[in-house]
Amino acid sequence: KAGVTQTPRYLIKTRGQQVTLSCSPISGHRSVSWYQQTPGQGLQFLFEYFSETQRNKGNFPGRFSGRQFSNSRSEMNVSTLELGDSALYLCASSLEGISNIQYFGAGTRLSVL
Amino acid sequence: GQQLNQSPQSMFIQEGEDVSMNCTSSSIFNTWLWYKQDPGEGPVLLIALYKAGELTSNGRLTAQFGITRKDSFLNISASIPSDVGIYFCAGGSPRVNDKIIFGKGTRLHILP
Repeated sequence: KAGVTQTPRYLIKTRGQQVTLSCSPISGHRSVSWYQQTPGQGLQFLFEYFSETQRNKGNFPGRFSGRQFSNSRSEMNVSTLELGDSALYLCASSLEGISNIQYFGAGTRLSVL
Repeated sequence: GQQLNQSPQSMFIQEGEDVSMNCTSSSIFNTWLWYKQDPGEGPVLLIALYKAGELTSNGRLTAQFGITRKDSFLNISASIPSDVGIYFCAGGSPRVNDKIIFGKGTRLHILP
């Protein structure tokens, strides 16, 4: 069974640009969550999508948004990039809901110059 | 809101030593998870605990779900170089559809 797939693995953008990250969950998993991880920080929860609906949201500005498609694939978008948005963005999928075991992808490393 | 206190923040040990780390909270959880993250990769699940008092092993790793449901610990015996990484605990709330809470991680360094 394929794991969680995130694309791209690495991305370099400049301030003010926008970026879209993609996540394909494990087959059969309906919940997809996104996290931001910066050096020295833990996993900062961005949001969770379940059956195409945002079900939980962290404390991030509105520049961070996401969506989920009918096949459970999810995208995360960050608009008007800032230097502080440089981070590893992790996607995790779980079978039913966020309180179930989450399986992580390898992440997308975003560098904002 | 719910918070997990994970300690220690970092550890420097000699190869072959045993390691112990823990997570505590003022909130009750009905699931405790332990993950390991290698540099540049996503966290990988090591052990999942579902019941208060449960003690579960995975090779040289042993984790326990605290009786009060507010804490958990992870032990690694006879550490080897590939144990280097960041270990995260995570607690799953009894409330349906609540988000999992992650600790800030314990960074393990092994001295040659």
